[in-house]
Amino acid sequence: GENVEQHPSTLSVQEGDSAVIKCTYSDSASNYFPWYKQELGKRPQLIIDIRSNVGEKKDQRIAVTLNKTAKHFSLHITETQPEDSAVYFCAASRDYKLSFGAGTTVTVRA
Amino acid sequence: DTGVSQDPRHKITKRGQNVTFRCDPISEHNRLYWYRQTLGQGPEFLTYFQNEAQLEKSRLLSDRFSAERPKGSFSTLEIQRTEQGDSAMYLCASSLVTGGPERELFFGEGSRLTVL
Repeated sequence: GENVEQHPSTLSVQEGDSAVIKCTYSDSASNYFPWYKQELGKRPQLIIDIRSNVGEKKDQRIAVTLNKTAKHFSLHITETQPEDSAVYFCAASRDYKLSFGAGTTVTVRA
Repeated sequence: DTGVSQDPRHKITKRGQNVTFRCDPISEHNRLYWYRQTLGQGPEFLTYFQNEAQLEKSRLLSDRFSAERPKGSFSTLEIQRTEQGDSAMYLCASSLVTGGPERELFFGEGSRLTVL
């Protein structure tokens, strides 16, 4: 099955700086790559996604890039704010079934 | 609230007891998934349903686990003879699959199980 690895496991950034989270996947047939944000005690919620026919997608302060050849995708958060503090999960999907990375705990320092 | 709802939110039980969790997906969603999440880990796939049909079960799902979605609406996940290793958050999620591009998976708040 699909194996998704995510790095780093924790990330502390100064407010206003950028945060980058990287993921790799194993199944070259995976074609959908969402990112979920999970605040403490809350449900995971989709923040951005990218499909295999696209290399980059941006939505305000967040962007995702995909390198299909390397089987690598990344989340970029610019101008971080305290409300960005959460756990972020990358995922890869084939046939409508998501496999998740282990998560990155992002802490934004004021 | 028209989101995914799960019940109970918390369950504490003694080892060896049976527990059942219920998930009510978003009403028009035909796919329903169960995931398990332990502290510091991402959700791990357990099983999923297309309408009432259970299409796949993870190897993580031992024979003590059973899931149903009898009418293609709500689903139940039962764990028999619970073990301490079953302690986790059990997440339900749903989506609408039409054969086209994949769409967002909506999660419930989860059912937290503690086995003493």
